[in-house]
Formats: sequence, C-alpha cells, structure tokens
Amino acid sequence: EPEVTQTPSHQVTQMGQEVILRCVPISNHLYFYWYRQILGQKVEFLVSFYNNEISEKSEIFDDQFSVERPDGSNFTLKIRSTKLEDSAMYFCASSEASGTPYEQYFGPGTRLTVT
Amino acid sequence: DAKTTQPNSMESNEEEPVHLPCNHSTISGTDYIHWYRQLPSQGPEYVIHGLTSNVNNRMASLAIAEDRKSSTLILHRATLRDAAVYYCILRDVYGGSQGNLIFGKGTKLSVKP
Repeated sequence: EPEVTQTPSHQVTQMGQEVILRCVPISNHLYFYWYRQILGQKVEFLVSFYNNEISEKSEIFDDQFSVERPDGSNFTLKIRSTKLEDSAMYFCASSEASGTPYEQYFGPGTRLTVT
Repeated sequence: DAKTTQPNSMESNEEEPVHLPCNHSTISGTDYIHWYRQLPSQGPEYVIHGLTSNVNNRMASLAIAEDRKSSTLILHRATLRDAAVYYCILRDVYGGSQGNLIFGKGTKLSVKP
C-alpha cells in the first residue's frame, strides 16, 4: 500500500537555526499538507499546497515558515529561525484532491526538538 | 467547519464491540462526517466517512442518526491495536476550508486484554 514518508524521524536543533523537514507524498496525489502537534495537544493545521502554490495557511504559519516542492516527489517545510515553541511533531499529509470525501494520508511524523 | 463533541476517554475489553459517540448538533446539510484515529506515536489515520447513510468498511462501521446530529463509530471486535485517539471531524462537501482537517481532542480509547 502506498504511504507518505517523512525524514528525519527526529531532528534536534538549536534555537535560531534553520531546519528543513522532508516529506515524500503518495505519488499520484495532488494536494499536500503540513500539520503539527505539540506534545499532549491537538493536531493543528499549518498549510496546504496545490499546484506549486499555498492554498491555505493557518495563523501559526507565519513568515518563519515556508513550503516547497523542489522536485516531482519531495515536499518540504522550512523553519528559518527556530524557537523553543516550535518543538513538536510535524506531520505531512497528502490527498488525491481537496475537500471531502478525499481522505488525507499522513506520514509518521518528524519530531522536532529545539534546545 | 461545524463543531463536534466527543467523550474524553473510553475503555473497552479486547474482542468486544466498541461504540464511540460523536455529537454534532450544528451540522449542516453539506457536512460529511469523517473519523480519523491516531495510534500512539503515529500520524493520524483515516477510518471512515459518511453523509447520511450508515457506512461499513474493513476497519469500522459508521452509524449516523436520522437527524444527523450525532453519529457513532463502531469497532466490531476491539483489538489491542485499536487503542488510539479517535477524532470525529465534519468537513463541508464544498471544501470551504480548502481541505484542511480541524482536529479536536478526540476520544482516547483504551483496550484491555
């Protein structure tokens, strides 16, 4: 069964450093998403991406964040200058199309620890 | 997307059926009812969705009340692997939020051997 993959599984970085989280969505999917989950809290939407453009973003997704699809397979989330509060699990997801009834397939996540 | 209400936690015994309730009294006529679950230390996983009629798939069944103000996710025989947080999410058929999922706190299901 096709699946979304994410690398690395765990990233430790110092405050103020840039990090890039990588995702390989399912190959025939067209919509891509990033979510995050701070330890013990809800899963929160960050951004959706379609046709090489951001479709929607949440209030969390400020100027420190950016997304890119650098080639035909990877989808990346960059945090320019990490803060302690960016420590969280980051999940990538993809779907064939937007909206219901298309389900989103999630990757296993990258645990980001900012020290 | 309209709001849903779920119990914080539920317990079940292995091999017994589990009924996970969700209230969505402000559901609109174009809202689909989706269920996702999140196993420990994993990303969310799609379970099932429906609009008006009851639905079955290999993972679960979804029973939707006639007035659509509530629904129940049914796991027919709980296994230890079903221990997870279960999220009931409403999504407008016209994708008014461009497809992003809005997660609540969900119901944490514990399964006892």
